[in-house]
Amino acid sequence: ELKVEQNPLFLSMQEGKNYTIYCNYSTTSDRLYWYRQDPGKSLESLFVLLSNGAVKQEGRLMASLDTKARLSTLHITAAVHDLSATYFCAVDFSGTYKYIFGTGTRLKVLA
Amino acid sequence: GAVVSQHPSWVICKSGTSVKIECRSLDFQATTMFWYRQFPKQSLMLMATSNEGSKATYEQGVEKDKFLINHASLTLSTLTVTSAHPEDSSFYICSARAGGTGQETQYFGPGTRLLVL
Repeated sequence: ELKVEQNPLFLSMQEGKNYTIYCNYSTTSDRLYWYRQDPGKSLESLFVLLSNGAVKQEGRLMASLDTKARLSTLHITAAVHDLSATYFCAVDFSGTYKYIFGTGTRLKVLA
Repeated sequence: GAVVSQHPSWVICKSGTSVKIECRSLDFQATTMFWYRQFPKQSLMLMATSNEGSKATYEQGVEKDKFLINHASLTLSTLTVTSAHPEDSSFYICSARAGGTGQETQYFGPGTRLLVL
C-alpha cells in the first residue's frame, strides 16, 4: 500500500524564520508534486518534480526530490504571513498517473 | 495555462436526492479525469479515475453505484452522488490530466462543496 506522510502536520512559525516540511513515501515513484490549499479553496500547484535530484525554487519556497530516499522537502525561507496555508505533497503512483496525497502540513506564520 | 472548472461550486440538498457535479477542461482535452473528496481538515482522497469513452475505475472502498461517473466527452466528466445522505457531505474536487509524454500533470478544479441535510 502506498503511503505518503508529511512532517510536521502543524507548523506555527514566526515571520522571517526558515523551516522545512518533509514528505516521505513508501514506494517507488519518480514524480512528486507540491500544492498549496487556502481555507475553503481548491489546490494551487507549486512545484512539479520529475526526477531524482530535482530542485525547484519560486520566491521563498524551494522543493527538492530524492527518489532513492523516497523523500521530498519543501523549504521555506524568511517566512511571511501570506505563506499561511495548508501544503500537500502528492506522489504519482508509478505508471498509473494517479496521485496519492500526503497528510498535509498546516502552516501558520505569525506576524 | 490549463483551466478546469466545476459546477456547481456549492450545493445544498435534502437527504435522498441525487446531485450531479460537472467537471470541465476549458482549454484542453482530457482523456483522463480524477475525482477526489476531502473532509474538513483532512487530505484529499482519490475516489475514481474517469476515462473518456469507458467505465470509471473506482478506488477500494468507493461505492460505484453510489458515485456514478460519466466521461462522455474529452472535456466533460460528471459525478452523480445518488441518494445522498448527510455522510456524503464533503468537498469534491476534480482534476484533469494533461501534458506531453513524461510531463503529464493534473490540473485541479475549484471544487464543489456538498451539504446534505
